[in-house]
Amino acid sequence: DGGITQSPKYLFRKEGQNVTLSCEQNLNHDAMYWYRQDPGQGLRLIYYSQIVNDFQKGDIAEGYSVSREKKESFPLTVTSAQKNPTAFYLCASSRTGGPRLEAFFGQGTRLTVV
Amino acid sequence: AQKVTQAQTEISVVEKEDVTLDCVYETRDTTYYLFWYKQPPSGELVFLIRRNSFDEQNEISGRYSWNFQKSTSSFNFTITASQVVDSAVYFCALSEVRSQGNLIFGKGTKLSVKP
Repeated sequence: DGGITQSPKYLFRKEGQNVTLSCEQNLNHDAMYWYRQDPGQGLRLIYYSQIVNDFQKGDIAEGYSVSREKKESFPLTVTSAQKNPTAFYLCASSRTGGPRLEAFFGQGTRLTVV
Repeated sequence: AQKVTQAQTEISVVEKEDVTLDCVYETRDTTYYLFWYKQPPSGELVFLIRRNSFDEQNEISGRYSWNFQKSTSSFNFTITASQVVDSAVYFCALSEVRSQGNLIFGKGTKLSVKP
């Protein structure tokens, strides 16, 4: 089945560690996105990529990094510079980067700092 | 400024009641798109509907209907005869032409439908 796979579903990180969240899609979509969701909040955009080897910062990119070496993969690294990383992270993709296309979402990764 | 407001944080209804989720947006653009997504307890967001700024026709899909009113910058969502399976968090989102597909989300409305 086509879709977006995020792994792991739950992730625990010690303070000061970097962690990488995986996002893979087999929808042949060009555009991919990372959003962060905090309790009672909407989703906020971290990074997005319209095409392989290119990506742009979203509204809350500080403390995060991404890469887009393959069309189907868009991993997110939460670095030690991110002061409050505990959150629910959602990856999404859309066929192209245009504004009119709906995005498809993965099931999310819940990151907890211990 | 871009902004999406969902003033209702939580709504609780009894099964078979009708419920309306409100969404008010702000944008300076004349061309934009509005979306509704459903987030069940499993976590992923499920696309429900897209509406462009030039199409103010209301839409009905089964028990779901959407009322888009440009004059009041609102895009409200009504569930008729609610069911327990409708329990979820519902998000309204805005996308502008210049935003390259990035979505501006409201904070969501948590709907609980009790049997």
